[in-house]
Amino acid sequence: GDSVTQMEGPVTLSEEAFLTINCTYTATGYPSLFWYVQYPGEGLQLLLKATKADDKGSNKGFEATYRKETTSFHLEKGSVQVSDSAVYFCALPSGGSYIPTFGRGTSLIVHP
Amino acid sequence: DVKVTQSSRYLVKRTGEKVFLECVQDMDHENMFWYRQDPGLGLRLIYFSYDVKMKEKGDIPEGYSVSREKKERFSLILESASTNQTSMYLCASSHTIRGPYEQYFGPGTRLTVT
Repeated sequence: GDSVTQMEGPVTLSEEAFLTINCTYTATGYPSLFWYVQYPGEGLQLLLKATKADDKGSNKGFEATYRKETTSFHLEKGSVQVSDSAVYFCALPSGGSYIPTFGRGTSLIVHP
Repeated sequence: DVKVTQSSRYLVKRTGEKVFLECVQDMDHENMFWYRQDPGLGLRLIYFSYDVKMKEKGDIPEGYSVSREKKERFSLILESASTNQTSMYLCASSHTIRGPYEQYFGPGTRLTVT
């Protein structure tokens, strides 16, 4: 079945550092891909998405490119802030349906 | 903006009590979901519903039931709460017809069973 693998955290960075959180997937066909973010004490919210190969999703300075060749959707940000400290989840709709498969989540901690 | 609300942010119940968690969405979404989130285990799907009065089991339905009498409301019921049901519970909704099926989440209910 479809699956998502994320790098384990926590990822600990200093403010203004470059961020990469790796996500690879196994899926039938070419599903849409998502990154969600969960700030402390809150529910998940959609951060960005890409609906087809080579698409780049972007939001709040974060970017991720849908790479069909490497089945990856890595999340990047050029300069993180303390306020980016959160848990990040990679996800895709399973089997082309509306039911998502989530990665385990990667915790990001940014120090001043 | 889509809004998903949950009835409580924090809840403390005793073992054996019947617990109701309610979720309401205001975007006319067909699908609604209940997850629990535990450290190290990520999100696990308990139940979902694709239409009024319809429900499907997710990955961990044991000990839970659900109710969807109206399109906008989806309730999670713990018939007899146990300490191993202490967790964060997240409700979500999404479209069926209109892809790409991103989900919209509520703020979560942190349930403690003592």
